[in-house]
Amino acid sequence: DAGVIQSPRHEVTEMGQEVTLRCKPISGHDYLFWYRQTMMRGLELLIYFNNNVPIDDSGMPEDRFSAKMPNASFSTLKIQPSEPRDSAVYFCASSPPGSQREADTQYFGPGTRLTVL
Amino acid sequence: GESVGLHLPTLSVQEGDNSIINCAYSNSASDYFIWYKQESGKGPQFIIDIRSNMDKRQGQRVTVLLNKTVKHLSLQIAATQPGDSAVYFCAEGGGSYIPTFGRGTSLIVHP
Repeated sequence: DAGVIQSPRHEVTEMGQEVTLRCKPISGHDYLFWYRQTMMRGLELLIYFNNNVPIDDSGMPEDRFSAKMPNASFSTLKIQPSEPRDSAVYFCASSPPGSQREADTQYFGPGTRLTVL
Repeated sequence: GESVGLHLPTLSVQEGDNSIINCAYSNSASDYFIWYKQESGKGPQFIIDIRSNMDKRQGQRVTVLLNKTVKHLSLQIAATQPGDSAVYFCAEGGGSYIPTFGRGTSLIVHP
């Protein structure tokens, strides 16, 4: 299995531009998580889905952030408009069915490093 | 302007030594704790977990100790190897089992 796939791996954009991050979870996994990691705040859970339905988006910082999961094999995290303080590494993770969302079943992707100038 | 990032706590050890990484958690209601390892340029990887009804759990070369009285968690790595160099995170979970991550400790292993 290829693991969780994220694209792009690096993104540099200018303030005000729209940014779309993509994630392909591991086949058969029914939970999908989006995290943001910064030196200041560490690893933060933004939102997670179960069976393509958003369950908890309380970690989404503001209305500029939105996430979708149109099918079981694809999710996007969009920032519009982007700001310099959005610069971070964004991770996607997935976990298999039957788990109680315990962390040992979360498989992280390699992350997307976003820089907003 | 951009804010300056804070440096992570760092533990430097010699290859072959035992390493102990400590973590204090804040929520006395947390009942599940996890250690993750994150190598440079990669996502976090699960190492070991422990439930609040235990005070010790052992894995391969790793041991996690939990002291609920003082809300303290530690990760012990035996015979540390250069490949153990990474950032180590503790995470605590409550009823939802969605973990809250700490900020991490950087482990540097010198050959």
